[in-house]
Amino acid sequence: AQSVTQLDSQVPVFEEAPVELRCNYSSSVSVYLFWYVQYPNQGLQLLLKYLSGSTLVKGINGFEAEFNKSQTSFHLRKPSVHISDTAEYFCAVSGSGTYKYIFGTGTRLKVLA
Amino acid sequence: GAVVSQHPSWVICKSGTSVKIECRSLDFQATTMFWYRQFPKQSLMLMATSNEGSKATYEQGVEKDKFLINHASLTLSTLTVTSAHPEDSSFYICSASDRPSSYEQYFGPGTRLTVT
Repeated sequence: AQSVTQLDSQVPVFEEAPVELRCNYSSSVSVYLFWYVQYPNQGLQLLLKYLSGSTLVKGINGFEAEFNKSQTSFHLRKPSVHISDTAEYFCAVSGSGTYKYIFGTGTRLKVLA
Repeated sequence: GAVVSQHPSWVICKSGTSVKIECRSLDFQATTMFWYRQFPKQSLMLMATSNEGSKATYEQGVEKDKFLINHASLTLSTLTVTSAHPEDSSFYICSASDRPSSYEQYFGPGTRLTVT
């Protein structure tokens, strides 16, 4: 079975500052990892995913994440945030062969002017 | 590409009635669809997985007779909430995959159900 922990429920950050949203997972099998963003009253949009290969994954809107197998982490980073990045961010894990997602509890990123 | 729609986007129904939510893949064939439930300010909880032409597989704790899922075609899945009660009020989101082995799901915009 897999599980995902997003340690921060809310992250306030000033505009143009860097941000890191933390995600840790546990799994007994190989995993695939995802970050999604949800704007108010909308569905989820894929930011980036790690399936294999390079552990540094670049996504849309300037976001990137690094898969760290030894620390079982997949933290999301952006060097300079904008007001428009204010949203809910979800980390998700899928175990090899299951195709199902297990979502973390989400981190609300609030970018302050 | 890979657009998923849901209808309706918002529905209000009276307690005891049933409501149907549609999930459509607009530009691809969805061999697998997933239904999630999201409570306010909480995460998405997988309710069931459906494959076209097969019975849905429900997650533990989800009432099969209350949440009826039908995946009759490669572009349409429906979720029917039967005998709805106020505690069924929630945000329901579907996702679809054309290649489950890609591990990527495309999400619909969600349907907000309010039961009065």
